[in-house]
Amino acid sequence: RKEVEQDPGPFNVPEGATVAFNCTYSNSASQSFFWYRQDCRKEPKLLMSVYSSGNEDGRFTAQLNRASQYISLLIRDSKLSDSATYLCVVNHEYGNKLVFGAGTILRVKS
Amino acid sequence: NAGVTQTPKFRVLKTGQSMTLLCAQDMNHEYMYWYRQDPGMGLRLIHYSVGEGTTAKGEVPDGYNVSRLKKQNFLLGLESAAPSQTSVYFCASSSSGGAHEQFFGPGTRLTVL
Repeated sequence: RKEVEQDPGPFNVPEGATVAFNCTYSNSASQSFFWYRQDCRKEPKLLMSVYSSGNEDGRFTAQLNRASQYISLLIRDSKLSDSATYLCVVNHEYGNKLVFGAGTILRVKS
Repeated sequence: NAGVTQTPKFRVLKTGQSMTLLCAQDMNHEYMYWYRQDPGMGLRLIHYSVGEGTTAKGEVPDGYNVSRLKKQNFLLGLESAAPSQTSVYFCASSSSGGAHEQFFGPGTRLTVL
C-alpha cells in the first residue's frame, strides 16, 4: 500500500465549478500536511499547508481529518489557470522527509 | 535571487555511461533533496542532506551517489546509467525538515538508451 494515496483523475470540470480532491495517508505518526501544485513539465510548488482546524486561502480550502487519516482540497469557482496536477504531501514520521502522492490531474475547460 | 537551479536541463546517456547532476541554491537552506518523478509514481526521494558534509539515503538510493561539499550545492551522480534511470530529476531545498516548505528546481530530464 502506498503511504499517500490520491485519485489520479483526471477531473474535467467547467469554469466556475467547485471541485474536491481527497487524499489518504497510512502513517498515523505524520505531523505535517501540504498540497503542492505542479503545472505540466514544471516543478512542484507549495499551494498551501493543511492544519487540523482547516484553513482557507481565497478559493482554496484544505481540511484534515486525523482520525480517518484523510486530507481534502476544495477549489471553488474554478479558473482555467487552476488546470494542473495537485500533489498531496505528508511528512515522514522521522520528520526530515516528505512523502508525495502521485497527484490528481485537474482540467478546467471553458 | 535565483532560488534553486539545476544543471543540465536535458541529457541523453547510453547505458553504462556516467554523469553528475548539479543542484545549487542561494537561499542559505540547510536541507537539500534529490527526487525522481516517473509517470504514475509521484516524486520519490533518492538521497537527501541535512547540512554541509552530510548525506542520507531516501526511498530509492540504489544506483545513485551524492555529495554535499558546500552548503549551497548538492550533486547527484550516476556511475553506470541504466534505462531504468530514465526519469525527471528534481532537486529541492528547505530551511528545515519535513514541516517546512520545499523549494524545487526546474528539473533535469534524463533519458538512458
